[in-house]
Amino acid sequence: DTAVSQTPKYLVTQMGNDKSIKCEQNLGHDTMYWYKQDSKKFLKIMFSYNNKELIINETVPNRFSPKSPDKAHLNLHINSLELGDSAVYFCASSQVGVQPQHFGDGTRLSIL
Amino acid sequence: TQLLEQSPQFLSIQEGENLTVYCNSSSVFSSLQWYRQEPGEGPVLLVTVVTGGEVKKLKRLTFQFGDARKDSSLHITAAQPGDTGLYLCAVNMEYGNKLVFGAGTILRVKS
Repeated sequence: DTAVSQTPKYLVTQMGNDKSIKCEQNLGHDTMYWYKQDSKKFLKIMFSYNNKELIINETVPNRFSPKSPDKAHLNLHINSLELGDSAVYFCASSQVGVQPQHFGDGTRLSIL
Repeated sequence: TQLLEQSPQFLSIQEGENLTVYCNSSSVFSSLQWYRQEPGEGPVLLVTVVTGGEVKKLKRLTFQFGDARKDSSLHITAAQPGDTGLYLCAVNMEYGNKLVFGAGTILRVKS
């Protein structure tokens, strides 16, 4: 059973399009996260949600909008995609508080 | 300037060799984590070190937290091709359980 699953695994699209990435966790965790890993493998947090409430918004452009319909899901919608958005996006989850995070396998977004 | 400086950036060695990777900072942390990321997958937590001077072992991997809790090292004995991957150190900034990562060390072990 996959603990944190993301779809799609690959996303290739044109500049200016709008796209969404979905994330689901079956670990019963209260907190979920989105991270971005750039071409140099640097991994940086974008957002975190605790039980559907936004906790961290790490100065990400407002073209990125996370949405958490329930505590097991955290989706990422990106408007007006730009070349610089090309990266691997990881979803993660944890129990509330300072707890180990479990990562999905990532979504590789490529902007043409 | 990054909060966590990892070195080396790249390491390519033969099977059976030993290696050490480093994670350094000028800040003091209550704990530090090490992750391994294999191609096409997400990072997987290897260990959390919490006490200055602490040494933890995970099979052939030995993790050490510096006495002053500013730095850490990961030593691999008799590296195997299965050890190939990206090794990341990270600290938890506590508010929101936010993880801040180092830039990583890419390890390749050749058979």
